[in-house]
Amino acid sequence: IQLTQSPSSLSASVGDRVTITCRASQGISSYLAWYQQKPGKAPKLLIYAASTLQSGVPSRFSGSGSGTDFTLTISSLQPEDFATYYCQQLINYPRTFGQGTKVEIK
Amino acid sequence: QLQLQESGPGLVKPSETLSLTCTVSGGSISSSDYYWDWIRQPPGKGLEWIGSIYYGGHTYYNPSLKSRVTISIHTSRNQFSLKLSSVTAADTAVYFCASEALTRMVRGVIPNFDYWGQGTLVTVSS
Repeated sequence: IQLTQSPSSLSASVGDRVTITCRASQGISSYLAWYQQKPGKAPKLLIYAASTLQSGVPSRFSGSGSGTDFTLTISSLQPEDFATYYCQQLINYPRTFGQGTKVEIK
Repeated sequence: QLQLQESGPGLVKPSETLSLTCTVSGGSISSSDYYWDWIRQPPGKGLEWIGSIYYGGHTYYNPSLKSRVTISIHTSRNQFSLKLSSVTAADTAVYFCASEALTRMVRGVIPNFDYWGQGTLVTVSS
């Protein structure tokens, strides 16, 4: 299953609302997770089951969608949110990731 | 909470076998609530799933690597390992191990990669 994220990169300011989309090549129900990765670090789980916030993740992060179209929203971008974000499908094998969306400072 | 740590050589010669171990602490690798996964990331590129193993030994591999990959589990040492044979420069990457939680929800069991090792850079070069 191929996952296509858009945009591939974006520039935003602190306080902005940011939305990243992930489209699956076939329906994956709610078997989608979102990860945040900072340079030199391992990915960090943000959202699983498309919309469930992982424990300890700030509530400004939210996920939505089902089937083939999903979104990750950051309601008010904070300085520590500048990173690359990946979606991942977990409905079948091989597990696949989107190509990533880099969120940069405007 | 779980902690995972990769270990192994940082430099491997072309055509040889890459071998890495992931040590799990803070929980049992024999738990029925987890699969154990390997993921890699070439420098400056995205994430590629390599494969996973369950405590009973059942494995899943990425078809793109299946002919060269072996993932094993060592329950007595709370470790799992990765072997990738016949490596080339294209296998140069940061290799991560991760726990794949089988989270039970109302709608069913939903997997997710909840804990990751810090990653280890493996360079393939003569």
